Amino acid sequence: SQTIHQWPATLVQPVGSPLSLECTVEGTSNPNLYWYRQAAGRGLQLLFYSVGIGQISSEVPQNLSASRPQDRQFILSSKKLLLSDSGFYLCAWSVVTGGFSPLHFGNGTRLTVT
Amino acid sequence: GQNIDQPTEMTATEGAIVQINCTYQTSGFNGLFWYQQHAGEAPTFLSYNVLDGLEEKGRFSSFLSRSKGYSYLLLKELQMKDSASYLCAATDSNYQLIWGAGTKLIIKP
Repeated sequence: SQTIHQWPATLVQPVGSPLSLECTVEGTSNPNLYWYRQAAGRGLQLLFYSVGIGQISSEVPQNLSASRPQDRQFILSSKKLLLSDSGFYLCAWSVVTGGFSPLHFGNGTRLTVT
Repeated sequence: GQNIDQPTEMTATEGAIVQINCTYQTSGFNGLFWYQQHAGEAPTFLSYNVLDGLEEKGRFSSFLSRSKGYSYLLLKELQMKDSASYLCAATDSNYQLIWGAGTKLIIKP
């Protein structure tokens, strides 16, 4: 069966510090991978998605970046965190683009920028 | 623009039935998802509708009317563990998900 791992679970970082969140998927090949952010009381905001190694689409302009160095690995990074980067970050995967393909989420990382 | 509307919060009694509504406006439409999200946890998939009508899965059912841009999630025989946020998400013509802000469901004994 497929599983998704995301870490760390919680993170407290000072403003201006770098960020690296990692996500890996097991049990499937060539998944679509996603990074979402959820602010308190708000809907899920898609940050990045990837349909293959090295293929990253950015949905919103920000100081965050994503990389997919391996088929089942997705990394979210920042060189300098802002206060507004605080939130609940979720990695997700799906089988195919189009049609019935629900997203399967990792457990999330709660990031607090101080 | 693309938009999903659902109530912010609802309260219901244990053992009762509750209906959570969702209206959507998207550029094209390729299906509607419902997810459950307990506080502090990740969303989990509940249901998917692409054709008009009712899909039933145990205590949970989801309904879709494409002509009205409307869906609802029906929860029967409510249990305390059903206290969670319920997220509605519509898929547009590019198969991108447009998410609602979620409905927080509070179950009282």
